[in-house]
Amino acid sequence: DTEVTQTPKHLVMGMTNKKSLKCEQHMGHRAMYWYKQKAKKPPELMFVYSYEKLSINESVPSRFSPECPNSSLLNLHLHALQPEDSALYLCASSQGAASNQPQHFGDGTRLSIL
Amino acid sequence: QQQVKQSPQSLIVQKGGISIINCAYENTAFDYFPWYQQFPGKGPALLIAIRPDVSEKKEGRFTISFNKSAKQFSLHIMDSQPGDSATYFCAARHTGNQFYFGTGTSLTVIP
Repeated sequence: DTEVTQTPKHLVMGMTNKKSLKCEQHMGHRAMYWYKQKAKKPPELMFVYSYEKLSINESVPSRFSPECPNSSLLNLHLHALQPEDSALYLCASSQGAASNQPQHFGDGTRLSIL
Repeated sequence: QQQVKQSPQSLIVQKGGISIINCAYENTAFDYFPWYQQFPGKGPALLIAIRPDVSEKKEGRFTISFNKSAKQFSLHIMDSQPGDSATYFCAARHTGNQFYFGTGTSLTVIP
């Protein structure tokens, strides 16, 4: 079991739906990340939150909207997605600004867009 | 532009053999180098990591060798087991707390 919990594990949605992915960690980490991973590819960074503030947005389309309600929670709101957005969405957390601290990943949400 | 180059793309090793995966980088602002293991349907799990001021780190059957002057680092898996069959990613952390991943190596250990 990972220390980063993601829900739901699987999600199927139509292109007009609105849904949210959730991520939770209780390790006291102050940096949280969203990644997108396609099959047989490395994770691609989408967003980084540092101390609950959005610090990095890797030019992600506005149909993906992140939210960090508090230091333990990270959400990714989805709206009007395209079929090419089907992927594994991974959440990760790390200590924060300190070096020598790895990211801890959740097991992801497998998203399928119909 | 791929910040971290990883090779080989796939690797087949006999049980008991040594698996070696190599990574290279250019950005001297990288300050931390983790390796991740990923099984199908799971998120990447931290395997072992190293700082650039250390040339080698060993944890059990897993060893990282780090060559700062050459900007290269490698993962050695000794006594490879079928349970080690997975995809391995090297990564590098930028001082801005951003991690860059290699392209991944699919390891298959044959019994």
